[in-house]
Amino acid sequence: DAGVIQSPRHEVTEMGQEVTLRCKPISGHDYLFWYRQTMMRGLELLIYFNNNVPIDDSGMPEDRFSAKMPNASFSTLKIQPSEPRDSAVYFCASSPRDRFNEQFFGPGTRLTVL
Amino acid sequence: TQLLEQSPQFLSIQEGENLTVYCNSSSVFSSLQWYRQEPGEGPVLLVTVVTGGEVKKLKRLTFQFGDARKDSSLHITAAQPGDTGLYLCAGASRYQGGKLIFGQGTELSVKP
Repeated sequence: DAGVIQSPRHEVTEMGQEVTLRCKPISGHDYLFWYRQTMMRGLELLIYFNNNVPIDDSGMPEDRFSAKMPNASFSTLKIQPSEPRDSAVYFCASSPRDRFNEQFFGPGTRLTVL
Repeated sequence: TQLLEQSPQFLSIQEGENLTVYCNSSSVFSSLQWYRQEPGEGPVLLVTVVTGGEVKKLKRLTFQFGDARKDSSLHITAAQPGDTGLYLCAGASRYQGGKLIFGQGTELSVKP
């Protein structure tokens, strides 16, 4: 079975540009999570969805960040405009309905904002 | 704010040695998990512990949840180069809506 799929794997952009990260969760999983990992702050939860509905976005840094889940097999995390401090590895993860915390992570997108 | 502190942050050992990684908090967790992350990849779940005092074994890895459910340890026996990676503990608490709080991780390097 395919795991969580993320694209692109690497993104280099200039400050002020819009960045869109994509995620396809494991089929049948009800929960989808977006995390950010940096050396300074470690792994932080940004937002999570249950059955395509955003449940908790308290980790989203600011209004420049937005996330959508239009259907059960696709989610996006958008940064507009991007800033150098957004440089990090962004992970998408999913989990089944009865095992909320047993999360399966994708390979991540390494974002560099110049 | 709940925090999970891992120690040590970095560990470099020779193949065959034993090691223990610690994960501590002042808060009580309903469950605690250990993940391993290799360079360029996402974390992979190793184990979930939910009961105070619980011990789980995964081949050469032994995981223990503290009696008070505030701390956990990971012990590796006879470490191998394939054990190299970043080990993350993550706790879930009802006070955080069940969301996972991750420790900063322990970077383990096992040299042949």
